[in-house]
Amino acid sequence: SAVISQKPSRDICQRGTSLTIQCQVDSQVTMMFWYRQQPGQSLTLIATANQGSEATYESGFVIDKFPISRPNLTFSTLTVSNMSPEDSSIYLCSVQGSGHNYGYTFGSGTRLTVV
Amino acid sequence: EDQVTQSPEALRLQEGESSSLNCSYTVSGLRGLFWYRQDPGKGPEFLFTLYSAGEEKEKERLKATLTKKESFLHITAPKPEDSATYLCAVENAGNMLTFGGGTRLMVKP
Repeated sequence: SAVISQKPSRDICQRGTSLTIQCQVDSQVTMMFWYRQQPGQSLTLIATANQGSEATYESGFVIDKFPISRPNLTFSTLTVSNMSPEDSSIYLCSVQGSGHNYGYTFGSGTRLTVV
Repeated sequence: EDQVTQSPEALRLQEGESSSLNCSYTVSGLRGLFWYRQDPGKGPEFLFTLYSAGEEKEKERLKATLTKKESFLHITAPKPEDSATYLCAVENAGNMLTFGGGTRLMVKP
């Protein structure tokens, strides 16, 4: 299965600033997924990022708040813009596995605290 | 809209005390049901994929089963290192994952 390197692992940010999270995959993948996990909650899909096209956002998430880049088949970034304390969450990237016993692989997550 | 409900929300077991976690789901065109383990501060770790009713998969002390409406994760003789949050997710025909709220498992020595 793919290995994902996600950076930073954690950060504490001032409200009103922006943070860019990076995910690097050790193999080429068509789709990369970005999730948010709020404290004590499960995972919610933010958007799907395909290389060479604009990301597709889920209901409740907008590009101005969570711009995504996907410059090639192994890399993607998610920016959390104009942050408020409500953005404090764990952010995770994910890729789909391959083969019959596939499962989605997740990065180790970015724990964001906005103060 | 796809929905996944996990129960119980939290489960405390003594070491060696077997039990089951439940995942009830409704989904439009099930492509797969996934079980993940998540340790605090880490991303979910893939455990199993189940595709059709009647399918079972095992890994060490864990066994996952699937019916048309729910999945069970059976934990046999758990150890303290099995303590984690266990997440269930379904993938629909549009390749979209929906996660349940998870079950926080604590195994006491």
